[in-house]
Order: sequence, then C-alpha cells, then structure tokens
Amino acid sequence: GNSVTQMEGPVTLSEEAFLTINCTYTATGYPSLFWYVQYPGEGLQLLLKATKADDKGSNKGFEATYRKETTSFHLEKGSVQVSDSAVYFCALTHNRDDKIIFGKGTRLHILP
Amino acid sequence: NAGVTQTPKFRVLKTGQSMTLLCAQDMNHEYMYWYRQDPGMGLRLIHYSVGEGTTAKGEVPDGYNVSRLKKQNFLLGLESAAPSQTSVYFCASRGTSGRSPTHYEQYFGPGTRLTVT
Repeated sequence: GNSVTQMEGPVTLSEEAFLTINCTYTATGYPSLFWYVQYPGEGLQLLLKATKADDKGSNKGFEATYRKETTSFHLEKGSVQVSDSAVYFCALTHNRDDKIIFGKGTRLHILP
Repeated sequence: NAGVTQTPKFRVLKTGQSMTLLCAQDMNHEYMYWYRQDPGMGLRLIHYSVGEGTTAKGEVPDGYNVSRLKKQNFLLGLESAAPSQTSVYFCASRGTSGRSPTHYEQYFGPGTRLTVT
C-alpha cells in the first residue's frame, strides 16, 4: 500500500542554518506530494506541494522537489528562523484517492 | 470565509460519558475527515465522508461514530468515553478531485483537545 516515511525528530538547528527534512514515499503511479506545517497549538496548514515528477514546490523560503527516480520529496530551507519552529508532515495522495497519507511528522526546533 | 471550524476547543470528560464534536466548513467541500493526534503517533484517521449522507471507517474507528447529515457539517461522537481517547482531534475538509491539483489539498480546523479522566 501507499506510505510515507520521514526522518524522525526532533531536529534542532541554530538560526540561519540550512535545513533538510527527508521524506520518501511508496506508491503506485504518480501521486501528488505535500508538505504540511503545524505550529504550536494549531491545526495543520499546507506549506507546499508538487503534483508531477520534477516539479518543485516552494513557499516561505522552503522548497521541495518531486523526485520520481528516488521516490523522495525532501524539504529544504537555506536559512531557518526561530519562527520556523514547528512540526512538519510529508504527505501524498493519488488523483482518485479519498484519503491523504501522512508521515509521522518531524519536530523542528530553531535556537536563536 | 471561516474555513474549517471545530467546537468545542477544549473538553474534559469522565470515563463513560458521551459527547459530540462538531466540525463545520464553509468551502462547499465534498470530503470531510476526522483525525486524532497523539504524541509520537502523528495523525491517525478515525472516520471520513465523501459526501452528504455518507461515512467510512478510517484507521482507528473503534469507539467513535460519525454523521454527515448536512454537507457543511461532520459530527464525531463518543458514546462511552475511555481514557485511551484522550487526544487532540482535528477535522479537515477537501474539495473533490478534478483537474486542478489544488482540489487535493486538505484544510484543517484548529483542533479540539479532549481529556478523559
């Protein structure tokens, strides 16, 4: 079945450091891929997405590229801020799926 | 446009009590979902609905019931609460699949924190 695996946290970085959160997936065909972010005390919100191979999603300085050959969708940011501290979820869905498959989430702490 | 709203925000129940969590969305979405979030467990799907009058079981449906009598509302019921149901509950909605990829995005509510003692 479809699944998403993302690196376990917590990930702790200093402000302005480079961030990578790894995400790999297992799915048939060509799923759509997402990164969601959950700030403390809030629900999840979409951060970025990509719907076909080699697409790059980007938002708020974050980027992720849909790599079909490595079944990956790693999240990157060149210079993190304290305000980026949150839990990040990688997810996938198929065109006709009723459900979205989420990874377990990666907690990110940014130190000033 | 309020998006997805959840009522109540917090609740404390005693074991054996019942309650209903309400989710409402104003985006005319067909699909609605109930998740629970526990430390270290990520999100787990409880029940979902693909349209008014329909419901389906998710990953962890036991101990919960749902109803979708109106398109904009999705209710989650606990008939006899247990301490294992202490969790944060999130509702989400999504438009129907179509040509636009944006239709696949889920929109989440702010959550309901439930404690069962």
